Amino acid sequence: QKEVEQNSGPLSVPEGAIASLNCTYSDRVSQSFFWYRQYSGKSPELIMSIYSNGDKEDGRFTAQLNKASQYVSLLIRDSQPSDSATYLCAVNIRWGKLQFGAGTQVVVTP
Amino acid sequence: DARVTQTPRHKVTEMGQEVTMRCQPILGHNTVFWYRQTMMQGLELLAYFRNRAPLDDSGMPKDRFSAEMPDATLATLKIQPSEPRDSAVYFCASGPGLQETQYFGPGTRLLVL
Repeated sequence: QKEVEQNSGPLSVPEGAIASLNCTYSDRVSQSFFWYRQYSGKSPELIMSIYSNGDKEDGRFTAQLNKASQYVSLLIRDSQPSDSATYLCAVNIRWGKLQFGAGTQVVVTP
Repeated sequence: DARVTQTPRHKVTEMGQEVTMRCQPILGHNTVFWYRQTMMQGLELLAYFRNRAPLDDSGMPKDRFSAEMPDATLATLKIQPSEPRDSAVYFCASGPGLQETQYFGPGTRLLVL
């Protein structure tokens, strides 16, 4: 069993709609969680970090964390073609050691 | 605009040759990470440092890979001898602390023939 699991996609989303990405993790002691966006041929860039249960909003992005269910999600509202990328879920499984999921490819269609 | 820098950006070499990749972390960041990304394996942590001291290199093939931080502004990843299966994109990342965000450099795209 992988420590961090994501649906690989592609997730096809109409422009203007909400994209919903999910991630589950296996290590119960994990304390910090991150969503990175990676365009093809580029490096991962941080979208959101979340440390506490609940929702965290930043512009069109909302991260949701449920430690009891070992589940973290990312919502992208009003999806734009520029949001087309691979989204990587990362879990800090122990001191600084980030475990990445395989990524979910999002395709926003005009 | 503080960024992690990596050199070279691209490297093509022949099997058996030594490869050295360099990384300059963001000034003030005390943690440095080396990752490798391939289509098959995704993003894998190879090794990381805190205050220049190695914390974990369990993700790295010990017989051919080595990682060092000669000073606070330079991290190196060496492969000797290189093999075709080492072909991948190698990313360096730095962060202000072990639980904090890691910021990635542009990567070194390595092709071993």
